[in-house]
Amino acid sequence: DAGVTQSPTHLIKTRGQHVTLRCSPISGHKSVSWYQQVLGQGPQFIFQYYEKEERGRGNFPDRFSARQFPNYSSELNVNALLLGDSALYLCASSLGLAGGTYEQYFGPGTRLTVT
Amino acid sequence: RKEVEQDPGPFNVPEGATVAFNCTYSNSASQSFFWYRQDCRKEPKLLMSVYSSGNEDGRFTAQLNRASQYISLLIRDSKLSDSATYLCVVNRGNQGGKLIFGQGTELSVKP
Repeated sequence: DAGVTQSPTHLIKTRGQHVTLRCSPISGHKSVSWYQQVLGQGPQFIFQYYEKEERGRGNFPDRFSARQFPNYSSELNVNALLLGDSALYLCASSLGLAGGTYEQYFGPGTRLTVT
Repeated sequence: RKEVEQDPGPFNVPEGATVAFNCTYSNSASQSFFWYRQDCRKEPKLLMSVYSSGNEDGRFTAQLNRASQYISLLIRDSKLSDSATYLCVVNRGNQGGKLIFGQGTELSVKP
């Protein structure tokens, strides 16, 4: 069975541009969460989606948005890119609303560099 | 103060050594606890969940002390392949899937 997949693997953008990152969860998983990991830090929660609805939002500006599609795949959009948005963006999938016994499994990430 | 704090690294140990990682969390509403392993420039991978009674998986033992808000991970007979960053992770339960990560502790096992 395929794990969590993300595309693209690497991306270089310039300040002010917009970016869309994509994630496909493990087959049968209905929840997708997005995290940002800057170098030397642990991942930080951005969003969680379950059954196409937003179920959680971290402390990120409105430039960050996401959505989940009927097939449970998800997109993360970032507008007006800043240099500080350079990071590894991780998608995690879980069977249901994580917490409790629903463990999260991460994709390989998209490495975004903003110049 | 960060919500999840770990020992600063790196830890450099010889093969076969026993190494312990410590982690504290500040929010008493935390309900689920995990250790993740992250290799350089790769995604975090779930190593083990941590239960109040303590749990063991081969050479790895995890402990949780809710009263002290303290989590530990013990690795016995360390292997070269254990070299990675170990992330302590908590979930409050009332916030759905939001995992809160510590900054990670780097382990380097030398021959």
